[in-house]
Amino acid sequence: AQSVTQLDSQVPVFEEAPVELRCNYSSSVSVYLFWYVQYPNQGLQLLLKYLSGSTLVKGINGFEAEFNKSQTSFHLRKPSVHISDTAEYFCAVSSGSGNTGKLIFGQGTTLQVKP
Amino acid sequence: NAGVTQTPKFQVLKTGQSMTLQCAQDMNHEYMSWYRQDPGMGLRLIHYSVGAGITDQGEVPNGYNVSRSTTEDFPLRLLSAAPSQTSVYFCASSKAGANVLTFGAGSRLTVL
Repeated sequence: AQSVTQLDSQVPVFEEAPVELRCNYSSSVSVYLFWYVQYPNQGLQLLLKYLSGSTLVKGINGFEAEFNKSQTSFHLRKPSVHISDTAEYFCAVSSGSGNTGKLIFGQGTTLQVKP
Repeated sequence: NAGVTQTPKFQVLKTGQSMTLQCAQDMNHEYMSWYRQDPGMGLRLIHYSVGAGITDQGEVPNGYNVSRSTTEDFPLRLLSAAPSQTSVYFCASSKAGANVLTFGAGSRLTVL
């Protein structure tokens, strides 16, 4: 069975500092990996995805993530955060092989950017 | 271009009442799904559908029913609401082969 673990429930960081949100997954098959962001009182938006190819994936709003198969990790990074990045971030893995339209989500990490 | 539309946005029920959360998408997506979001637990899959007339259970299906009579609509029914069903519910859709979910804005349900 597939699972996703987000290692930090909350990450406080000062504005313009770098940030890393950690995500580990377990799967016995090839995986597709995703990061979604949820701003307060809104639905989820796709930040970036890894399907295949280059292990460094760039997304919207200056975020990037690196797929590390040996470490079974997909950590999200941004070199300089803004107040507007304050949100909850979810790592997710596609269930099963191929596109099934189903995702398994991690518990979420709340990024708190302080001025 | 509405995307995924969920109604109602907020609902308060008493234990034992029934209700339907509506979900509609106008993107001609084949796949649709329902998730519930609870603090510290992320999103968990309730039911999903890969096309009209085809539905299947997700991780937490008990107490919920779904049907998919059209490509556009995927309603979620609570047959007899319980306080444990207090949650925020998200409907999502995706095009077959696209590997990206589009989410609705969510429906916040409180069961007293």
